[in-house]
Amino acid sequence: AQTVTQSQPEMSVQEAETVTLSCTYDTSESDYYLFWYKQPPSRQMILVIRQEAYKQQNATENRFSVNFQKAAKSFSLKISDSQLGDAAMYFCAYRSPSSGSRLTFGEGTQLTVNP
Amino acid sequence: SAVISQKPSRDICQRGTSLTIQCQVDSQVTMMFWYRQQPGQSLTLIATANQGSEATYESGFVIDKFPISRPNLTFSTLTVSNMSPEDSSIYLCSVVRQGASSGTQYFGPGTRLLVL
Repeated sequence: AQTVTQSQPEMSVQEAETVTLSCTYDTSESDYYLFWYKQPPSRQMILVIRQEAYKQQNATENRFSVNFQKAAKSFSLKISDSQLGDAAMYFCAYRSPSSGSRLTFGEGTQLTVNP
Repeated sequence: SAVISQKPSRDICQRGTSLTIQCQVDSQVTMMFWYRQQPGQSLTLIATANQGSEATYESGFVIDKFPISRPNLTFSTLTVSNMSPEDSSIYLCSVVRQGASSGTQYFGPGTRLLVL
């Protein structure tokens, strides 16, 4: 079974600085998708970024980018120029086409942004 | 992304009662899911809501406790039956849009349930 591990329960960053959140996963599949979701205090789950495993190029969305290392099964999220609104719980998630659209989530990393 | 609404946004219920949560999407979607998020925990998939047929439940979840309906491609309900304090959680629905090869899920705002 696939597992997703986020080894950092909590992280903090100064406003305008850069922070990297770690995620590793375990799978025997070669075709899959990886996601980062953000959950602010409102509890709304918001898609931050998506990476297709067959793409070598790392995904970017404005201030958010990933470092996808397929061989190492690592999928870290980098937040540049951190803003107070980035404070949230961040979840890494995995999806394999063989399991339908079922997502496997990590345990989450609580990010605090200090002014 | 699809616009997803959930009703109610929150509720406080007495043990032994049942609550039905609605999930409405503004466009037709292929798949709808229901998740539970217990306090301080990650998300756990309860079931896949299948249009016009019985939902597909994950291990540890049963239809008698969490009956689900999906009468069409834009609407689903989850009922939490015979509630106990252990059912206090956030319940979220999510959807996969038609034609989304990545299977990306978009989530509703969630329903906060407190059972006394």
